Amino acid sequence: DADVTQTPRNRITKTGKRIMLECSQTKGHDRMYWYRQDPGLGLRLIYYSFDVKDINKGEISDGYSVSRQAQAKFSLSLESAIPNQTALYFCATSVDRLDTQYFGPGTRLTVL
Amino acid sequence: GQQLNQSPQSMFIQEGEDVSMNCTSSSIFNTWLWYKQDPGEGPVLLIALYKAGELTSNGRLTAQFGITRKDSFLNISASIPSDVGIYFCAGVVWGNTGKLIFGQGTTLQVKP
Repeated sequence: DADVTQTPRNRITKTGKRIMLECSQTKGHDRMYWYRQDPGLGLRLIYYSFDVKDINKGEISDGYSVSRQAQAKFSLSLESAIPNQTALYFCATSVDRLDTQYFGPGTRLTVL
Repeated sequence: GQQLNQSPQSMFIQEGEDVSMNCTSSSIFNTWLWYKQDPGEGPVLLIALYKAGELTSNGRLTAQFGITRKDSFLNISASIPSDVGIYFCAGVVWGNTGKLIFGQGTTLQVKP
């Protein structure tokens, strides 16, 4: 079984809809991250969390929110989706000190 | 802000050839990571480097942490068709909230 799972893997939605992307991990890591990937722009950090009570904005947090429900679960929400949020979204986890990050398989989100 | 310059942007090589790609920065990093991403999947960690001057191998892959801590390279020997994908370098500055800074990626295509 995969250590980092994401659901759904693919989602098509309409402008203005609320969308939630979920991430679960069995690695026992405290740190979790959400990234988006766009062609030619690489991976950009949206939000990150160092533990259940610690949530931090990344470089492109506008239009997104997150919830850390448990050590193993970290959800990303788009409150009112817009077309330029069409992208690949990745969740990642890391061990505290070494910061090596492990990525989930990704969610392909299309906003029409 | 911190940036990583990854080169080359893309490579098209013959099966059996060796491949070399690198990342440079004007900033110092404490950790260098190399990832491979297959189409539609999340980045998979190939090699992690934690010490300046460190040379680490993983099968046909070899990576080095530059002595200045501002660069890293990845070599792939005797390339095979399944090496196709996008390779990303990433740097981490300890104490800087553990955020990864990603290079733009190197797209590798291997001709059988």
